[in-house]
Amino acid sequence: GAVVSQHPSWVICKSGTSVKIECRSLDFQATTMFWYRQFPKQSLMLMATSNEGSKATYEQGVEKDKFLINHASLTLSTLTVTSAHPEDSSFYICSASSGETDTQYFGPGTRLTVL
Amino acid sequence: RKEVEQDPGPFNVPEGATVAFNCTYSNSASQSFFWYRQDCRKEPKLLMSVYSSGNEDGRFTAQLNRASQYISLLIRDSKLSDSATYLCVVSRRNAGNMLTFGGGTRLMVKP
Repeated sequence: GAVVSQHPSWVICKSGTSVKIECRSLDFQATTMFWYRQFPKQSLMLMATSNEGSKATYEQGVEKDKFLINHASLTLSTLTVTSAHPEDSSFYICSASSGETDTQYFGPGTRLTVL
Repeated sequence: RKEVEQDPGPFNVPEGATVAFNCTYSNSASQSFFWYRQDCRKEPKLLMSVYSSGNEDGRFTAQLNRASQYISLLIRDSKLSDSATYLCVVSRRNAGNMLTFGGGTRLMVKP
C-alpha cells in the first residue's frame, strides 16, 4: 500500500518557539494532503486541507496564521506551528490522497509537547 | 450534534466473543463510509470500506443502512490483537474527499 511518512515523530519545545512538521508521500503523488489534530481520548479533527500549489483551506476555528501549511510539491506538505503554546500540545497526523479514490493514507503522526 | 456519533465504550469482551459496533451519521450527503482502527498513540489505519450491499473481510463484517444513516461493524471470534479503538468515518459528496471521524469505540479483548 501507499506509504506516508512524517518527521519528526515527536518533538518537545519551549513555549513561544515554532515547530515544523513534514509529511511526505513516498511512493505516490499526493494531489491533496490533510492535516489533523488529535487530543488525548478524542477523535481526529481536521485542521486543514491542502492541494499542491495552492493555499490551504482551513477548518472553522483553526487559525491560519498560527498553523502555516505549505504544499509545495506533490510529495511534500509541511505544517508549521508558530509561537507554540502548551495548549498546542497534541498528536498531529497528516494524510495524503492521490485523488484517484476516496482513500487517504495516514502518516504515523507527530507528537508535539510544548513546555 | 456531532456529524458522526459512536458509543465510546469501552467494550470489554472475552477472546472468541462476537462484538458489534454501531455508528450514526447526520449528513445525508455523506457518500463514502469506512471503518478505521487506531491503536494507542498510533495513526488510524483503514480496516475496511463500507458498502450499501454490506461487505465482509474475514472475521469483520460491515453494514450500511443509508435510510437510517447507520453503519455497523461486526467482529467475530475476537482476538487479543483486536483490542484497539475503532473509528467510524464518512466522507461527503462535493467535500473534496474530506473525512469526518467519529469519536471512536474502544474495544478491549481479554483472555
